[in-house]
Amino acid sequence: AQTVTQSQPEMSVQEAETVTLSCTYDTSESDYYLFWYKQPPSRQMILVIRQEAYKQQNATENRFSVNFQKAAKSFSLKISDSQLGDAAMYFCAYRSAGDDKIIFGKGTRLHILP
Amino acid sequence: KAGVTQTPRYLIKTRGQQVTLSCSPISGHRSVSWYQQTPGQGLQFLFEYFSETQRNKGNFPGRFSGRQFSNSRSEMNVSTLELGDSALYLCASSAPGGWDEAFFGQGTRLTVV
Repeated sequence: AQTVTQSQPEMSVQEAETVTLSCTYDTSESDYYLFWYKQPPSRQMILVIRQEAYKQQNATENRFSVNFQKAAKSFSLKISDSQLGDAAMYFCAYRSAGDDKIIFGKGTRLHILP
Repeated sequence: KAGVTQTPRYLIKTRGQQVTLSCSPISGHRSVSWYQQTPGQGLQFLFEYFSETQRNKGNFPGRFSGRQFSNSRSEMNVSTLELGDSALYLCASSAPGGWDEAFFGQGTRLTVV
């Protein structure tokens, strides 16, 4: 069975600084997708960034980028120029190709310090 | 384009009762998945429906059930409620399979007293 592990329950970063959230996963599959979701206090789960396992190039979305290490089964999220609106719970997630079931990590609560 | 709509937003029930939660997916989406979110267990997959058929089921007791209608709207039902069923229930919809992003609703907060 696939598992997703986020080892940092909480993190804090100064506004405008850079922060990296860690995620490791375990799978025996070769074709899958990885995601980072953000859940603000409104509870709405918002997709931040996604990565296809067969792509070696790391995904980037504006201030958000990932470091995808397939052999190490590591998928970290880097947030540059942190903003107050980035404060939220961040979930790392895994999805097998052709399957709609998403497996989530326990989450990392990110605090942005003004 | 309207997002995923879940109703009701909040619900308080008594132990032993049953409850039905509703989810209307984004227009054109035929896959609907349900998740339970609790502080202790995090986000756990309940089940997934596609074209009125359950395609996948998580590790939950039979008290948890669901269905999907021909318009892709989905309901989940929890019978004989227990205190431990108190949680945020999230619904997600996506276009058929593969790479497509799952869009989440704002959830239904169920409190069992």
